[in-house]
Amino acid sequence: QSALTQPASVSGSPGQSITISCTGTSSDVGNYNLVSWYQQHPGKAPKLMISEGTKRPSGVSNRFSGSKSGNTASLTISGLQAEDEADYYCCSYAGSVVFGGGTKLTVL
Amino acid sequence: EVQLLESGGGLVQPGGSLRLSCAASGFTFSSYAMSWVRQAPGKGLEWVSTISGSGGSTYYADSVKGRFTMYRDNSQNTLYLQMNSLRAEDTAVYYCARKYTYGQYWDMDVWGQGTTVTVSS
Repeated sequence: QSALTQPASVSGSPGQSITISCTGTSSDVGNYNLVSWYQQHPGKAPKLMISEGTKRPSGVSNRFSGSKSGNTASLTISGLQAEDEADYYCCSYAGSVVFGGGTKLTVL
Repeated sequence: EVQLLESGGGLVQPGGSLRLSCAASGFTFSSYAMSWVRQAPGKGLEWVSTISGSGGSTYYADSVKGRFTMYRDNSQNTLYLQMNSLRAEDTAVYYCARKYTYGQYWDMDVWGQGTTVTVSS
């Protein structure tokens, strides 16, 4: 079982905003804002979308943003588009590097 | 173009060994920490190991510690993962990935296409 907990699935309609949560503990997510977020389309390699909680690498759409509240980090996607449909993983350090279990985003 | 190309995957019997390679191009390889991340069929991502740019420091997941060895040849711009005592649960697509310059070592901004390892009798 992952040390980072994500919902198995979320969905939204085009143009809407959705948020994916990633819950850890006060020892990891709660103590630092160093969560990264990856997007993975089926059969493809993951893509870094957010680093260190809130930073967007060059080339990543500004529709993607990261935040944190307490022991929970969040990825928000605004202006949902069909191409956003993918699996999303959070990742951080909790004694070792751990990924969340992943969240499947469905664009209705 | 920045690129990572894995090779070496295949079918191996339980208890066997395999060595994966990751050829890097388009960037100064020795300046970057590198990692291996795997994904079992239909499952999520799992961090396997990380090595510093010099190769002097390595880190491993508990699930592979003592069985897998990660190393690099900076003169050949190549990363390796030596996998021994393989188990069925090691079956996965193995990705090599480069550390993002502006993040932690679990922030990985360049990924290979992956190589498949199947452990089965």
